[in-house]
Amino acid sequence: QLQLQESGPGLVKPSETLSLTCTVSGDSISSSSYYWGWIRQPPGKGLEWIAGIYYSGTSFYNPSLQSRVTIFVDTSKNQFSLNLSSVTAADTAVYYCARHSYDSRDSASYYYMDVWGKGTTVTVSS
Amino acid sequence: DIQMTQSPSSLSASVGDRVTITCRASQNIYSYLNWYQQKPGKAPNLLISAASTLRSGVPSRFSGSGSGTDFTLTFSSLQPEDFATYYCQQSYSMPYTFGQGTKLEIK
Repeated sequence: QLQLQESGPGLVKPSETLSLTCTVSGDSISSSSYYWGWIRQPPGKGLEWIAGIYYSGTSFYNPSLQSRVTIFVDTSKNQFSLNLSSVTAADTAVYYCARHSYDSRDSASYYYMDVWGKGTTVTVSS
Repeated sequence: DIQMTQSPSSLSASVGDRVTITCRASQNIYSYLNWYQQKPGKAPNLLISAASTLRSGVPSRFSGSGSGTDFTLTFSSLQPEDFATYYCQQSYSMPYTFGQGTKLEIK
């Protein structure tokens, strides 16, 4: 059974870099059928998609965060990670990692996030 | 970015009610629309993909419809475990975006 587990510091100081890792178990991260991504949710608010990456390293970013975000994959450890630089209080959120899968129909690929980690709470505060 | 707008933002209903939530996209997203359920303190759970495909293990009382810019999530008969927050999400173009959520509460 596929499981994703986020890890990282619960508290980060303003202006520092937040680093999170998602460990994938129960399946290989090295599948071309999926890609892997990060989503966050500020307290009491909605969901924001941050970035995604294939095992090959091909990556995608939300333009609103692109200047501060790096996503990378370590296939040897079956992990992918997120770095978010120059954090502020606005980056305080629950951060989720998720598998992005797709179904093909009529020559189209319909992507969705079908397996999620439990989330890790990150607070930005001095 | 494609803006996703859900209505209502909150809704009170009773067990057994038939309920519909609406999601509107700021541009044509064809059928690239997913629905998620989120309970307090938990990660979102995928219910429906491609606007109307019920995911494995999701009860048949849930259904999705729509295409283009207007979509709906319908509960044929609400059950106690359905009270949660629901999000739509477009996967037509990046960055993927979510609606602001609809909180379904017990009346």
